[in-house]
Amino acid sequence: DAKTTQPNSMESNEEEPVHLPCNHSTISGTDYIHWYRQLPSQGPEYVIHGLTSNVNNRMASLAIAEDRKSSTLILHRATLRDAAVYYCILPRGRFGAGTRLTVKP
Amino acid sequence: GAVVSQHPSWVICKSGTSVKIECRSLDFQATTMFWYRQFPKQSLMLMATSNEGSKATYEQGVEKDKFLINHASLTLSTLTVTSAHPEDSSFYICSASGGGTDTQYFGPGTRLTVL
Repeated sequence: DAKTTQPNSMESNEEEPVHLPCNHSTISGTDYIHWYRQLPSQGPEYVIHGLTSNVNNRMASLAIAEDRKSSTLILHRATLRDAAVYYCILPRGRFGAGTRLTVKP
Repeated sequence: GAVVSQHPSWVICKSGTSVKIECRSLDFQATTMFWYRQFPKQSLMLMATSNEGSKATYEQGVEKDKFLINHASLTLSTLTVTSAHPEDSSFYICSASGGGTDTQYFGPGTRLTVL
């Protein structure tokens, strides 16, 4: 199974940028990298996905390393509503523990 | 777009009874649906993957006779927990994908409590 590795937790101050890393060294050539986030007692929410090029959407940006073995989810200005557990996963992959993001006012 | 609903959002049942959870993709055709289980303070655990019109593929350790999955149409999948016991109490989440992408869209989850 395709595996991803993320830090267990990160903290950020409100209105500051946040960079959430993910290692996926077993990625295959055609695997998309997906990011989701989950609030307590809710289903995960799609955030962004990408293949090779960096991607931007209204929620976040995704920076993908040239060798594709790692990626970084970028929240440009963290808000209190961004506090959640963030998961990066590959196709056929299993959810890891994710990164719990705490945003301090 | 890409909305997935689940029903019910919560259910309490007696030990030994069966519970059915519905998962619907409201605005797209879901060729693949996934069922997950999540215990408190843990990550999502994939239970099974189902393709429309085919039998579900269960993860190792998940009893297919206990967790019956039906994916009869491109917008509906059901999970039936048969003869539920207290240890089956958990948060059950479905997701759906379609259109040739791997992107999963998740339902809001169903909290099952077995007394």
